[in-house]
Amino acid sequence: AQSVAQPEDQVNVAEGNPLTVKCTYSVSGNPYLFWYVQYPNRGLQFLLKYITGDNLVKGSYGFEAEFNKSQTSFHLKKPSALVSDSALYFCAVRDADSWGKFQFGAGTQVVVTP
Amino acid sequence: NAGVTQTPKFQVLKTGQSMTLQCAQDMNHEYMSWYRQDPGMGLRLIHYSVGAGITDQGEVPNGYNVSRSTTEDFPLRLLSAAPSQTSVYFCASRPQQNQPQHFGDGTRLSIL
Repeated sequence: AQSVAQPEDQVNVAEGNPLTVKCTYSVSGNPYLFWYVQYPNRGLQFLLKYITGDNLVKGSYGFEAEFNKSQTSFHLKKPSALVSDSALYFCAVRDADSWGKFQFGAGTQVVVTP
Repeated sequence: NAGVTQTPKFQVLKTGQSMTLQCAQDMNHEYMSWYRQDPGMGLRLIHYSVGAGITDQGEVPNGYNVSRSTTEDFPLRLLSAAPSQTSVYFCASRPQQNQPQHFGDGTRLSIL
């Protein structure tokens, strides 16, 4: 079975400060990990993924994430947040052997204040 | 490219009615999925398909049917609508197993 947890319902950060959105996962095999962002009344948009290789993954809009196998975490980070980064962020995981079945976290609402 | 197109965008049904949510993609993607999004629960997988003629159940399949007769289309059928099926429904597609999913803008469904 696979699962993913996003421990924070909401993250508040001032514009220009670093932003971190946490994600931990559980899979039986090798994990495929993804981050998506959702703006109001829109579908999810892909930010970045980890399949294999370097533990630090760089994605769209200045976001990056670090894969930590020992801590089973895949936290999303941005060095300097913008007001336009305010959105709902989802972490998703798939076991390498589970074909079409992705497991999504509950989502973390990011609020960036000017 | 239009990407993933979902219709309708909004729908209100009465309990017991049936309807079909449409999903079409023009990217020739093999993999397609249906999710429902409920507050505080993230996205939950209803059904998915790994190619034309092949479908399988996800996490919450009860009350829903799917078919995949073509690569482009993946309709979701509600057999007998119930208030518990009030939700936002998203269709997604991707070309290969390890590639990210492309999402439609959703169908907002209310069951009275």
